[in-house]
Amino acid sequence: DVKVTQSSRYLVKRTGEKVFLECVQDMDHENMFWYRQDPGLGLRLIYFSYDVKMKEKGDIPEGYSVSREKKERFSLILESASTNQTSMYLCASTQGRNRGETQYFGPGTRLLVL
Amino acid sequence: GESVGLHLPTLSVQEGDNSIINCAYSNSASDYFIWYKQESGKGPQFIIDIRSNMDKRQGQRVTVLLNKTVKHLSLQIAATQPGDSAVYFCADYSTLTFGKGTMLLVSP
Repeated sequence: DVKVTQSSRYLVKRTGEKVFLECVQDMDHENMFWYRQDPGLGLRLIYFSYDVKMKEKGDIPEGYSVSREKKERFSLILESASTNQTSMYLCASTQGRNRGETQYFGPGTRLLVL
Repeated sequence: GESVGLHLPTLSVQEGDNSIINCAYSNSASDYFIWYKQESGKGPQFIIDIRSNMDKRQGQRVTVLLNKTVKHLSLQIAATQPGDSAVYFCADYSTLTFGKGTMLLVSP
């Protein structure tokens, strides 16, 4: 089975802090994605990556950056956390480059920014 | 922009009933859709998918129907069980757009 893990289930940070969310997949998938999920808004794509050291902006990249130094790891970075970044963050991966492939999701990280 | 939406935010059913959850999409060129189940505090879990060359696909107790004419798809769950209680949402993978979700509540 594909396994996507996220470093934290719950995080509490203060406004202005730098926050790192880590995601690791163990199936040698090429594509990895970061979403945030908010009530009434569904999943929104922040950033994605098709290869090591490669990144592309999604629908809501403002206030975020990403890093993909190794194929299995995709990090989401909040340079200066703000209260409107309080959300559930979900990481996902797919095997190939075809957008029509099933995404496998991690368990999510609930981030609270005070 | 593209949109994927669900008609009902909450659906309450009795155990044993059949459940139907609906989803609309807006991109007529979209050709791949997935239904996810998300239990409280967990990540989304793949249930079933369908490509645009099909109108219907069946899994174990679940069926997805796709109506390309009206850009609508539905998830049918047969003999709903309390363990089916969760948020269900559809995803248009052609545009990487996700529905907002429907909460399914199953009463014993």
